[in-house]
Amino acid sequence: DAGITQSPRHKVTETGTPVTLRCHQTENHRYMYWYRQDPGHGLRLIHYSYGVKDTDKGEVSDGYSVSRSKTEDFLLTLESATSSQTSVYFCAISVFPRTSGSGGTGELFFGEGSRLTVL
Amino acid sequence: DAKTTQPPSMDCAEGRAANLPCNHSTISGNEYVYWYRQIHSQGPQYIIHGLKNNETNEMASLIITEDRKSSTLILPHATLRDTAVYYCIVRFHNAGKSTFGDGTTLTVKP
Repeated sequence: DAGITQSPRHKVTETGTPVTLRCHQTENHRYMYWYRQDPGHGLRLIHYSYGVKDTDKGEVSDGYSVSRSKTEDFLLTLESATSSQTSVYFCAISVFPRTSGSGGTGELFFGEGSRLTVL
Repeated sequence: DAKTTQPPSMDCAEGRAANLPCNHSTISGNEYVYWYRQIHSQGPQYIIHGLKNNETNEMASLIITEDRKSSTLILPHATLRDTAVYYCIVRFHNAGKSTFGDGTTLTVKP
């Protein structure tokens, strides 16, 4: 368990309203990711972060912004939610040992998901 | 990151080995192959990864071809609880973008 929590776990909102999803980790891992998953499909990368205030776009970043002001929190914001953004959102982190020189495995650990419904 | 290609679905009899293929013909020399699975609507779970050599852990075995253009995940004795969507991805070891495809839906049947 990499100590990842997502909030809220479920949210229903209306079109045009802003929404922020939070991903919190307790182990100071450098890399964090936001994915979305639509029914019957795989995960698509929205944005990722490789350190505090360092973020980059994924394959489906339009309509989303992110912020990482401290290591433990990675926020995903929908400035004006649309029905096409109804989805399940997963946060993930890459896990590496903290000491330099030691090999890491680089696997991803995922949170439990946040189900967002935009009416 | 290199793209991967997986069959959309496979069936396997309970107790038999499940062999899930993955093609990654554009993989670069420093990219690893990772496998994950997702049960119901839970977050994906890491299974195994490798670079060149075959790997085995308590969950599965990973066979990577010599040219590294394809790999096979082997669940040696599939159980009903192994029914899930299995994702093969390739990525650099030191993180960065990780792109998932649609995976393979494995159904283990009694």
